[in-house]
Amino acid sequence: AQSVAQPEDQVNVAEGNPLTVKCTYSVSGNPYLFWYVQYPNRGLQFLLKYITGDNLVKGSYGFEAEFNKSQTSFHLKKPSALVSDSALYFCAVREGNAGNMLTFGGGTRLMVKP
Amino acid sequence: DAGVTQSPTHLIKTRGQQVTLRCSPKSGHDTVSWYQQALGQGPQFIFQYYEEEERQRGNFPDRFSGHQFPNYSSELNVNALLLGDSALYLCASSLGQGGQPQHFGDGTRLSIL
Repeated sequence: AQSVAQPEDQVNVAEGNPLTVKCTYSVSGNPYLFWYVQYPNRGLQFLLKYITGDNLVKGSYGFEAEFNKSQTSFHLKKPSALVSDSALYFCAVREGNAGNMLTFGGGTRLMVKP
Repeated sequence: DAGVTQSPTHLIKTRGQQVTLRCSPKSGHDTVSWYQQALGQGPQFIFQYYEEEERQRGNFPDRFSGHQFPNYSSELNVNALLLGDSALYLCASSLGQGGQPQHFGDGTRLSIL
């Protein structure tokens, strides 16, 4: 069975500072990893994915994520946070050969203060 | 280029009733997945349709059923509604069964009284 853990319910950061949202995962095969963002009363928007290749993945809106196989982590990062980045962030995993089913973490609320 | 569209946006039902939610995938996509997102939680996978067949199913009872039409649109049906079925129901579409990211609609908010 596959699972995702997002250990922080909320992350607070000042505008202009770097941000990190943590994610660890568990799958029995090769992981496909994703980050999504959700704004109030909206669906999920795709930010970035890791399937294979370079461990540092760049995505939308200046976000990036680092895949670490030994630590089974896929932390989301951004060098300089914006107030408009405040939202709910979800990490998701699917096993490479297990169809399209995504398993999501519980979400981390990012609060960026001016 | 229209994204994933879902209807209705909001729905109120009472216990024991039945409900049908609808989803049109993003243009060019052929695979539709449904997720249930309870308040304050991450989405949970219900099932996925590809080539008009249910291909994968999560841990949901048979009260949850679906359908995919030849134009790739999909319906989610829930029978014998329970209070615990109150949630945001999200539809996601993608191309094929590979590693392409799923694109989500804005969901249908279902409230059970």
